[in-house]
Amino acid sequence: AQKVTQAQTEISVVEKEDVTLDCVYETRDTTYYLFWYKQPPSGELVFLIRRNSFDEQNEISGRYSWNFQKSTSSFNFTITASQVVDSAVYFCALSGNMLTFGGGTRLMVKP
Amino acid sequence: DGGITQSPKYLFRKEGQNVTLSCEQNLNHDAMYWYRQDPGQGLRLIYYSQIVNDFQKGDIAEGYSVSREKKESFPLTVTSAQKNPTAFYLCASSMSPGTSGGQPETQYFGPGTRLLVL
Repeated sequence: AQKVTQAQTEISVVEKEDVTLDCVYETRDTTYYLFWYKQPPSGELVFLIRRNSFDEQNEISGRYSWNFQKSTSSFNFTITASQVVDSAVYFCALSGNMLTFGGGTRLMVKP
Repeated sequence: DGGITQSPKYLFRKEGQNVTLSCEQNLNHDAMYWYRQDPGQGLRLIYYSQIVNDFQKGDIAEGYSVSREKKESFPLTVTSAQKNPTAFYLCASSMSPGTSGGQPETQYFGPGTRLLVL
């Protein structure tokens, strides 16, 4: 069975702080994909990144960066210099036959 | 613009009533999905369809039904058998999972429908 754990249910930071959202996963598959989605207050899930299990290179996209470590089954997400618009719920997900979502981390960025 | 639309944004259900949530996509995606999200929780899969006229149960299909008569449309009916229907419902679509050597494709989501029971 697959499982995704986002241990941080809620994080509060002040604008311009860096913040890391943790994601730990369990799977018996040797090939899998990991995803991050953002859910702003409007409700729609916005796709952020997809990472293949064979590609352990870290990825940076603007203020966002992702650290994939297969040895610890983690796929953490860091926002640098956070902004109020980053306030949302962030979901990590793992693909098997279907997507398995973590419980989400609510990020609140205060001005 | 290509995308996924869901309607209505809010839906109210009376006891014993069936209600249908609409999901339409113009992304030319083969696969479509329905998820349920309860407050403070992640998403759980209700039903999915990888091709027209075919669909499969997800983890929490009881009390729900779907149809897939057209590629663009995947309506979800919440039946009276669903005793606790109050939730946020999200529809998603993706290219067929077989497109990239059998690996799952990225799912893109609609804006959601919030269902409340009167």
